[in-house]
Amino acid sequence: DTGVSQNPRHKITKRGQNVTFRCDPISEHNRLYWYRQTLGQGPEFLTYFQNEAQLEKSRLLSDRFSAERPKGSFSTLEIQRTEQGDSAMYLCASSLDLTAGTEAFFGQGTRLTVV
Amino acid sequence: KNQVEQSPQSLIILEGKNCTLQCNYTVSPFSNLRWYKQDTGRGPVSLTIMTFSENTKSNGRYTATLDADTKQSSLHITASQLSDSASYICVVTYLIRLSGGSYIPTFGRGTSLIVHP
Repeated sequence: DTGVSQNPRHKITKRGQNVTFRCDPISEHNRLYWYRQTLGQGPEFLTYFQNEAQLEKSRLLSDRFSAERPKGSFSTLEIQRTEQGDSAMYLCASSLDLTAGTEAFFGQGTRLTVV
Repeated sequence: KNQVEQSPQSLIILEGKNCTLQCNYTVSPFSNLRWYKQDTGRGPVSLTIMTFSENTKSNGRYTATLDADTKQSSLHITASQLSDSASYICVVTYLIRLSGGSYIPTFGRGTSLIVHP
């Protein structure tokens, strides 16, 4: 499978625990995005990497959230001290170069449930 | 206020009928506009992509139009099929100035389409 891969697909955690999600983009893609999607809403932008550099962070990304892309390949998104409001689908996307005509490809997402 | 607004929020049609979904956006400068289809519990999949200089783009039974002057786009689905039941999301890529200044895809809330037999 050469698409964007996200793991795990589902995660159930108790409030207050830390969780970490992984995203493996399409291998030659230098751009990587994280989005959060709640039920009935469109995906909301969280953060963006160009290679290993984190160039943009949304105001949605509180201090409890951290994302890394250490070697410019896979990325991780960690949520510390999870809250029930963190329950959502976390989507990762990658692209070569987001100029006109370039598509961002999405993974299947990680669905987080905080109980 | 959302920078990408879609209407209607939901739509129910009979199999074989046509429908049109709307997208209005306020953001600029604008790079491109895409329509994505998202099945429940899955990631979005691109249907069409248009730059600001393109007025229309087709992909099978899907036809997207763009009016960059009025900042409006539409997605027309012809001869709907049961498998068209999904959420259709309008995505506008524009220059977002949070820190470095990057082009980021920004999503509307989507239109939920249900096709009944």
